Amino acid sequence: GAVVSQHPSRVICKSGTSVKIECRSLDFQATTMFWYRQFPKKSLMLMATSNEGSKATYEQGVEKDKFLINHASLTLSTLTVTSAHPEDSSFYICSARSPGTQETQYFGPGTRLLVL
Amino acid sequence: AQKVTQAQTEISVVEKEDVTLDCVYETRDTTYYLFWYKQPPSGELVFLIRRNSFDEQNEISGRYSWNFQKSTSSFNFTITASQVVDSAVYFCALLPRRDSNYQLIWGAGTKLIIKP
Repeated sequence: GAVVSQHPSRVICKSGTSVKIECRSLDFQATTMFWYRQFPKKSLMLMATSNEGSKATYEQGVEKDKFLINHASLTLSTLTVTSAHPEDSSFYICSARSPGTQETQYFGPGTRLLVL
Repeated sequence: AQKVTQAQTEISVVEKEDVTLDCVYETRDTTYYLFWYKQPPSGELVFLIRRNSFDEQNEISGRYSWNFQKSTSSFNFTITASQVVDSAVYFCALLPRRDSNYQLIWGAGTKLIIKP
């Protein structure tokens, strides 16, 4: 199956700093990448959808200036949490799809963010 | 409305028992996809199966089997002879075909605990 990597897997930062999370499709070109946030014992909450070369589409309630998404190439998307606060602490997961994956989203291993 | 319902919040069985995870969906589309993902404690979402709405054949993969019934809008997942490694949260998801953003509609997940 298609492989998606995500880096870092875990990050601890101080309040007010910015954190960048990378999502890469390793063996396919991802025309669409998704960023999710997952709270403990909850389902996935879609934050934004990004298509290569265009601006990300954010879900209602997600601050685009706080969660900056860049889908610069067909294999890389980044999520930057700007001026992070403790309430941003969460599990962030990316996924990727392409016409070649037959509508299936493949997920990265996730990033656990802890803001102190 | 487009919705996925996983009514079982948590299931606990003893190893080697068979267990069925229920998934009921709602969609106005005639063409759609259904998915099952496994999320072990590590957090990574593992793709298990994709089913096209036009393909009602049941599928078996080793100890895993899926029963897709359009008449009841259900896509249930059965694990035969469960093992401790099957312990995870399992998510059912729906992709309506008309959604050009390829956004999945997620169930709440079922936590499966397999006791040795």
